[in-house]
Amino acid sequence: QITLKESGPTLVKPTQTLTLTCTFSGFSLSTSGVGVGWIRQPPGKALEWLAIIYWNEDKRYSPSLKSRLTISKDTSKNQVVLTMTNMDPVDTATYYCARASHIAARPFDYWGQGTLVTVSS
Amino acid sequence: DIQMTQSPSSLSASVGDRVTITCRASQNIITYLNWYQQKPGKAPKLLIFAASSLQTGVPSRFSGSGSETDFSLNISSLQPEDFEGSTTFYCQQTYITPWTFGQGTKVESK
Repeated sequence: QITLKESGPTLVKPTQTLTLTCTFSGFSLSTSGVGVGWIRQPPGKALEWLAIIYWNEDKRYSPSLKSRLTISKDTSKNQVVLTMTNMDPVDTATYYCARASHIAARPFDYWGQGTLVTVSS
Repeated sequence: DIQMTQSPSSLSASVGDRVTITCRASQNIITYLNWYQQKPGKAPKLLIFAASSLQTGVPSRFSGSGSETDFSLNISSLQPEDFEGSTTFYCQQTYITPWTFGQGTKVESK
């Protein structure tokens, strides 16, 4: 059974750095073709892809947020960590982590439940 | 970035209706197109991958088609669970990063 779960602060202040951890089970991030990505969704708005890290350490970022994001993995702990610097109220959103499958078109086939992060002073 | 444009943005339908949602990419993405369903307060769920492949466990009333820039998601006979609390469907391209999603299509009960 594959599961993912996001953890981190629910409230951060403007200019602070957000650190989110995705803890997963049921698959390994050392398996060829597999990745774990982060997606966010502001309240009432659409999904926005943020970043992804692959089994081979390849990392990709949203160009609009690249200067603020860092994604890393700890394969032994089955965790992926996303940091986002200089948080702003517009970054208030539910943040999801999801597994990118190795199958055709590499869809996000398993998702975490999401964690709502509010940015406010 | 590749822009994904869905239409319509919302629709009202009844149980048993056939529903079609379209997704247009701003450039050729071959068949690197996935569809998700999101119910209120829940994470998205994968329905269709690679434009037309049904994800395991997804009912066969869902189908996808298309290639290059034009794609569609079809629901052959809408069921109550397909729009409980107003469900939103999203397309996503994974041809090139940044992977981008459409703006969503909200399906509500007529």
